[in-house]
Amino acid sequence: EVQLVESGGGLVQPGRSLRLSCTASGFTFGDYAINWFRQAPGKGLEWVGFIRSKTFGGTAEYAASVKGKFTISRDDSKSIAYLQMNSLKTDDTAVYYCTRDGVLTAITYWGQGTLVTVSS
Amino acid sequence: DIVMTQSPDSLAVSLGERATISCKSSQGLLYSSNNKSYLAWYQQKPGQPPKLLIYWASTRESGVPDRFSGSGSGTDFTLTISSLQAEDVAVYFCHQYYSTAGTFGQGTKVEIK
Repeated sequence: EVQLVESGGGLVQPGRSLRLSCTASGFTFGDYAINWFRQAPGKGLEWVGFIRSKTFGGTAEYAASVKGKFTISRDDSKSIAYLQMNSLKTDDTAVYYCTRDGVLTAITYWGQGTLVTVSS
Repeated sequence: DIVMTQSPDSLAVSLGERATISCKSSQGLLYSSNNKSYLAWYQQKPGQPPKLLIYWASTRESGVPDRFSGSGSGTDFTLTISSLQAEDVAVYFCHQYYSTAGTFGQGTKVEIK
């Protein structure tokens, strides 16, 4: 069974950093891209970025709203993807989801999400 | 970025009646090489991640009840719930995956009248 579990969310002050993890199981992690999305409270879904599988270079792409602030990485040996978030602002407050693939495909597998609250 | 616009923002439908949600994209989502429209529909209930209902605009995901159907092409798409059930109360999103920067509609909240 494919499972994705996000962790690392919580309350953080503006300007600080936070690193989220997406721990996968039930599939060959290294074969898939991993996407990150976020959903502000009561709002819609926003694409944050994704990281390609090593087969396709292992490179990442980002939404304009987070480029230069957020970094996505992966450790295929541990089946974990990371979302490093720096210089956080209040409008980064959201539930952050990781998904398997979702690059030029619909998204079947989502994690349950982890809430990040940026507040003083 | 491709902008996805859903209508209405919310609708209330009686049990057993039809619910119809529209989604328009700012550019076409049909990829000519495979003749597929890169459009999906999701259902989201409170406290849960989105659940895939429809992909390629009209293909029902395995396990999704057949009262859910998708149609449309180009820039105009529709999700229809043919006979609304109580468990269908949720927010529904359309999603374009034509570009690597996938974007979503703002969501349509479906309630029971």
